[in-house]
Amino acid sequence: GAGVSQSPSNKVTEKGKDVELRCDPISGHTALYWYRQSLGQGLEFLIYFQGNSAPDKSGLPSDRFSAERTGGSVSTLTIQRTQQEDSAVYLCASSDWGESSYEQYFGPGTRLTVT
Amino acid sequence: QKEVEQDPGPLSVPEGAIVSLNCTYSNSAFQYFMWYRQYSRKGPELLMYTYSSGNKEDGRFTAQVDKSSKYISLFIRDSQPSDSATYLCAMMDSSYKLIFGSGTRLLVRP
Repeated sequence: GAGVSQSPSNKVTEKGKDVELRCDPISGHTALYWYRQSLGQGLEFLIYFQGNSAPDKSGLPSDRFSAERTGGSVSTLTIQRTQQEDSAVYLCASSDWGESSYEQYFGPGTRLTVT
Repeated sequence: QKEVEQDPGPLSVPEGAIVSLNCTYSNSAFQYFMWYRQYSRKGPELLMYTYSSGNKEDGRFTAQVDKSSKYISLFIRDSQPSDSATYLCAMMDSSYKLIFGSGTRLLVRP
């Protein structure tokens, strides 16, 4: 079956611009996660959504970052007023919930470059 | 100090060698321990998971968890050039968030 898909695969933007990154999770997965992978910091948790519960935003690095999940499926991560330190690969993952939450399936990522 | 420590390598071995990859951690609340493989410019792929302490074997791969020492390992037998990738350990407590090590880059030379 189809895996997690992300778009765009690459995004180059100018400092100060806003960007939107999209994630399509595996059909039927109720949990969706965003992570960021950068050279200096490795792979870091940003936010997760589970069903209709309030999202866990504890990993978002600043209020310039926000995310939403519409209809329990597709998610968009928005970065406002991008800075050069936002350059990284943004990875989305999805999973079943509960005891299967460890089994997270990752998409290919969006490589963001802020110039 | 990071919650999860992993030697970044690179680790270079000849084809057929046994590879040992390791992570240490500080949070005793971690219950799930995973190993992911990541090829260049691809997303991480779950290889194995272990719940609590013990060993788990899957083909050429063996995962070990020692909670008393806060130490986990992944062994790869009969390593192949196709195993060349970055291996990431990851851990999860009841928060459902994965905490990753920095990854070890492995190169298996033909």
